[in-house]
Amino acid sequence: AQRVTQPEKLLSVFKGAPVELKCNYSYSGSPELFWYVQYSRQRLQLLLRHISRESIKGFTADLNKGETSFHLKKPFAQEEDSAMYYCALMNTGFQKLVFGTGTRLLVSP
Amino acid sequence: EPEVTQTPSHQVTQMGQEVILRCVPISNHLYFYWYRQILGQKVEFLVSFYNNEISEKSEIFDDQFSVERPDGSNFTLKIRSTKLEDSAMYFCASRAGVVNQPQHFGDGTRLSIL
Repeated sequence: AQRVTQPEKLLSVFKGAPVELKCNYSYSGSPELFWYVQYSRQRLQLLLRHISRESIKGFTADLNKGETSFHLKKPFAQEEDSAMYYCALMNTGFQKLVFGTGTRLLVSP
Repeated sequence: EPEVTQTPSHQVTQMGQEVILRCVPISNHLYFYWYRQILGQKVEFLVSFYNNEISEKSEIFDDQFSVERPDGSNFTLKIRSTKLEDSAMYFCASRAGVVNQPQHFGDGTRLSIL
């Protein structure tokens, strides 16, 4: 079964603190993983995909197949990072996305 | 940058009525999707559409739901006889034809069933 788990509903940090949003997955094949971000009242936007191994807005995420994890990290959080973050797994075939429940990141000044 | 657009942004409908949610995917994309998000819950896959037919659907997507791409531009989701539990945010997404390309989402339509 395909499943994405985000254990934290809310993560509250101060500006400048490091951030790690956890994501674990369950998938029998070779996973394609994404992080999407949803700022207040806006659409789901692609933040990162594991295959590109890039850093966007200071965020990085590394796929750890041994731990079946794809945690999102940022060394120094900014207030504008406050948003809802969704980890998602894309399956093979017609490639639907399976989402986690999301983590709300709140960065306080 | 091209975007997926959805209309209306908010739809209020009486229970039992039919509703059509509209989406205009990005123009050169080939795969189209509908997802929904009930308030406080996660985003759930409803249906994928490719080459003018449904390619995959979830168990949520029962006989009350249908999708159509009537004119090569719009991609619509129809709910034939709405129920209270259909109240949710409905997101349309599209992606290019190359394997493993990301999906691009619209702003969503908030559907409220009274």
